[in-house]
Amino acid sequence: QQQVKQSPQSLIVQKGGISIINCAYENTAFDYFPWYQQFPGKGPALLIAIRPDVSEKKEGRFTISFNKSAKQFSLHIMDSQPGDSATYFCAAIPYSSASKIIFGSGTRLSIRP
Amino acid sequence: DAGVIQSPRHEVTEMGQEVTLRCKPISGHDYLFWYRQTMMRGLELLIYFNNNVPIDDSGMPEDRFSAKMPNASFSTLKIQPSEPRDSAVYFCASSTSGAPYNEQFFGPGTRLTVL
Repeated sequence: QQQVKQSPQSLIVQKGGISIINCAYENTAFDYFPWYQQFPGKGPALLIAIRPDVSEKKEGRFTISFNKSAKQFSLHIMDSQPGDSATYFCAAIPYSSASKIIFGSGTRLSIRP
Repeated sequence: DAGVIQSPRHEVTEMGQEVTLRCKPISGHDYLFWYRQTMMRGLELLIYFNNNVPIDDSGMPEDRFSAKMPNASFSTLKIQPSEPRDSAVYFCASSTSGAPYNEQFFGPGTRLTVL
């Protein structure tokens, strides 16, 4: 049972373009929604996160958009750079078990120069 | 801080052998997590500890898998006997109570190949 559904599975974007990765969830008990970035041969690392009481959070070129009523959230990478090429995981954390991260299936992003 | 340390980085073994993966969490962190990553199943939480005590092992696939945390600075994940379907990258992560968004810090992983 996939509690957090992520799409697309892979994405190719030209340098300077906007990369968009989408996620959806069913469980309304989720309280935090982090995004993790993973480079080849490395472990995932926290990139940006949002609580459901806000609709958008921006950190530099990375923005999370959150739609609580639709139970959807997305990551936007503005002015995508080759160094952004990595696998991105959306995730959700239930308030009942704040340490248990439920990860999406991941999106392999490639930025073409 | 050196971050989460895992060893070995790569392990190749034959079916039926015992495999032990090791993890040293970040000093001061009181949560430790073991994950498995495969192409088919993505990133799965196997087990996590709080203050050296196992809290949730519902992700451990079967009795062949066991994990221990004898002290705050060391944990092991053991597979006995190993099978080819156990081939995956195993990550250890740690976090501290009250960290924003419960950020987990991942180690570099151990790539396990069971022949």
